[in-house]
Amino acid sequence: GAVVSQHPSRVICKSGTSVKIECRSLDFQATTMFWYRQFPKKSLMLMATSNEGSKATYEQGVEKDKFLINHASLTLSTLTVTSAHPEDSSFYICSARAGGQYNQPQHFGDGTRLSIL
Amino acid sequence: DAKTTQPPSMDCAEGRAANLPCNHSTISGNEYVYWYRQIHSQGPQYIIHGLKNNETNEMASLIITEDRKSSTLILPHATLRDTAVYYCIVRRNQAGTALIFGKGTTLSVSS
Repeated sequence: GAVVSQHPSRVICKSGTSVKIECRSLDFQATTMFWYRQFPKKSLMLMATSNEGSKATYEQGVEKDKFLINHASLTLSTLTVTSAHPEDSSFYICSARAGGQYNQPQHFGDGTRLSIL
Repeated sequence: DAKTTQPPSMDCAEGRAANLPCNHSTISGNEYVYWYRQIHSQGPQYIIHGLKNNETNEMASLIITEDRKSSTLILPHATLRDTAVYYCIVRRNQAGTALIFGKGTTLSVSS
């Protein structure tokens, strides 16, 4: 089945550091990838939709200059949390759907747990 | 996309069938019903989806009522590893449309 790989799985860093998270579709091409954030005991919240070769679309309340998204190829999207602060500590999860197959499910990575000290 | 309503929690004995209900009374004709689950500290796992016919795969069965206003996910023989949060999501199938997660149902399977 379709596999989405996310790296790293866990990051601990100091306040003010920028952190890059990679999301790869391993066995299919994804024209669209999605980034979610999940706080403890809460549900997943959609942050942005990443489109290959174009600018990402951000959900209301998500700062595009804070969370930089790059979808440079059909198999890779990256999320960079710039100048991270403790309130950015969260579980970040990416998701992808095979290009052009709108009836197919989204597949999710295993998430990145970000802890800012 | 139409909203869904699920009970916040359910319990099930190991080996028994787990029947998880979902209400989506405002669903429209071109919206699919998707089920995902999330085991603690992992990304969501796809289970099954359907439009109007009942569906079955190796993980579960999906029963959709004839009026499509509700559905039930059935795990035929629950195991301890099925303990997770189960999300029922209604979504139109069009480009760029993401899954929007509600609060889901926390299923606890016990021996």
